[in-house]
Amino acid sequence: SQQGEEDPQALSIQEGENATMNCSYKTSINNLQWYRQNSGRGLVHLILIRSNEREKHSGRLRVTLDTSKKSSSLLITASRAADTASYFCATDEETSGSRLTFGEGTQLTVNP
Amino acid sequence: DGGITQSPKYLFRKEGQNVTLSCEQNLNHDAMYWYRQDPGQGLRLIYYSQIVNDFQKGDIAEGYSVSREKKESFPLTVTSAQKNPTAFYLCASSIANFYYGYTFGSGTRLTVV
Repeated sequence: SQQGEEDPQALSIQEGENATMNCSYKTSINNLQWYRQNSGRGLVHLILIRSNEREKHSGRLRVTLDTSKKSSSLLITASRAADTASYFCATDEETSGSRLTFGEGTQLTVNP
Repeated sequence: DGGITQSPKYLFRKEGQNVTLSCEQNLNHDAMYWYRQDPGQGLRLIYYSQIVNDFQKGDIAEGYSVSREKKESFPLTVTSAQKNPTAFYLCASSIANFYYGYTFGSGTRLTVV
């Protein structure tokens, strides 16, 4: 079952702009993670935010988590053409038995 | 270098044939996972294993089988019972509580011919 739903499904911006992607989920979680996938490749882990955290930063990435609304957002600042990829959120549900459930992803295109 | 290796990168299967996808990791991770990805979609969990000689079904296990005889290896067999096997298959591994996220292989693209 797909726990996370990303919004928008596709996003196209110019280099230097910020990109914001959102993820909503349905059940209580231990943590939420964001991954990046270049076309035809495996996923790469970007950042993890625990359920008791509200915001986390890593380089040009900023992740927020609102457990009351069951939602998270990923902000990429000062985007580059190399940021073009699909971005997925994944949730570690409290009742999942130690597995991640992935959303369907946001396809980000950064135009030079 | 530590990592997770999937092979082959491309695989072609004839109707009615079983095929096995390889996944090997040298990260000393306890847990390993198999996901299926269809075009433009997210990942769906097929099987996962937390320890050697033990594994659990994921959301779409029908038509697939796995084994976990060694910590480093978690092969996936796509059987003839899987009616629509054409997809991109991703293997991942993690430490037991995966607080550092999953490490993914580069995937195997399986096509039925």
